[in-house]
Amino acid sequence: DGGITQSPKYLFRKEGQNVTLSCEQNLNHDAMYWYRQDPGQGLRLIYYSQIVNDFQKGDIAEGYSVSREKKESFPLTVTSAQKNPTAFYLCASAGQYSGANVLTFGAGSRLTVL
Amino acid sequence: GQSLEQPSEVTAVEGAIVQINCTYQTSGFYGLSWYQQHDGGAPTFLSYNGLDGLEETGRFSSFLSRSDSYGYLLLQELQMKDSASYFCGSQVTGGFKTIFGAGTRLFVKA
Repeated sequence: DGGITQSPKYLFRKEGQNVTLSCEQNLNHDAMYWYRQDPGQGLRLIYYSQIVNDFQKGDIAEGYSVSREKKESFPLTVTSAQKNPTAFYLCASAGQYSGANVLTFGAGSRLTVL
Repeated sequence: GQSLEQPSEVTAVEGAIVQINCTYQTSGFYGLSWYQQHDGGAPTFLSYNGLDGLEETGRFSSFLSRSDSYGYLLLQELQMKDSASYFCGSQVTGGFKTIFGAGTRLFVKA
């Protein structure tokens, strides 16, 4: 089945540690995205990539880094510079539907900083 | 800046019709999309409006007015399973980027 796989589903981290969230897709989509979700604040864009070896900052990129070495993979690293990293992280890829850029989301990774 | 405004909560009765409004202020606006998210789950795509007017998909319809920077999602024949959060999203940057509102929590009562 085509889709997006995020891992791990739950992650605990101590302050000062970097952590990498995995995102893999088999939908053959060019564009991929990372969003952060906090209660009552909706989905905020961290980074996005329209094509391999290229990516752009979203609205809240500070304290995060990404890479896009393969079409299928778009890992997100939450660095120790991110001041409040506890959140639900969603990865998505985009396909076209009647002129729309339709996002397919993974099941998410919930990061808790202890 | 880029912003989308939606009501934070809406409550309706099973079998009724409910409308969730969305106003946006985004530069490079390309179209408006709607997503549904159940608690603890991933958002799923519901509808998209690239042109003014109404789009209908089963029990769900979505409307866009570019001149008013306004859209809405209409849910008919509400069912208990429709209890979820609904997000409007503005597609910008040639459609490659989607900026979301804070979401509307819909409670469907029996």
